[in-house]
Amino acid sequence: AQRVTQPEKLLSVFKGAPVELKCNYSYSGSPELFWYVQYSRQRLQLLLRHISRESIKGFTADLNKGETSFHLKKPFAQEEDSAMYYCALLYSSASKIIFGSGTRLSIRP
Amino acid sequence: GAVVSQHPSWVICKSGTSVKIECRSLDFQATTMFWYRQFPKQSLMLMATSNEGSKATYEQGVEKDKFLINHASLTLSTLTVTSAHPEDSSFYICSARVSSGIDTQYFGPGTRLTVL
Repeated sequence: AQRVTQPEKLLSVFKGAPVELKCNYSYSGSPELFWYVQYSRQRLQLLLRHISRESIKGFTADLNKGETSFHLKKPFAQEEDSAMYYCALLYSSASKIIFGSGTRLSIRP
Repeated sequence: GAVVSQHPSWVICKSGTSVKIECRSLDFQATTMFWYRQFPKQSLMLMATSNEGSKATYEQGVEKDKFLINHASLTLSTLTVTSAHPEDSSFYICSARVSSGIDTQYFGPGTRLTVL
């Protein structure tokens, strides 16, 4: 079955410290994975997708098929990074997106 | 970029009444839209897939007679919560799929429904 797991509900780090938000997935096909971010009182927006291999706002994520992981990383956290982050998997045959439970990232000054 | 709007942004209704929520793609056509439900401090749960001109596909456990979905045009999908009860109170979010180029979904701002 398709599943996305984000083990941490809350992650709190100091400004300038490295950040890693964990995401593991379960999918029988070739996965397409995303990270979405939801800032306070704003809509959900796409942060990055693995097929683009891009870096947005200093965040990167590498798909590791062996470990079935897609962890989100940033070397130096900034206060404006505080938000809710969702890892998501595209269930391609139905074009459905399956979301993880989300991790709230809190950056302390 | 692609913009998706929802109306209303929040609604309060009495138990037993029906509420309609609209989802519009403002600057693109969307053959497929999705409806999600988000409880406080929880993730988005897909309720149904709305396809223009055909019946919606509901996820397991979602009552199709309770949550009526209509996708009458390429820019509008509606979700009607029928005979609403307090347990239907939630945040409802829609997304619209852009299939040209890289398959992408854009999300609406959500509608907060409170049933008294």
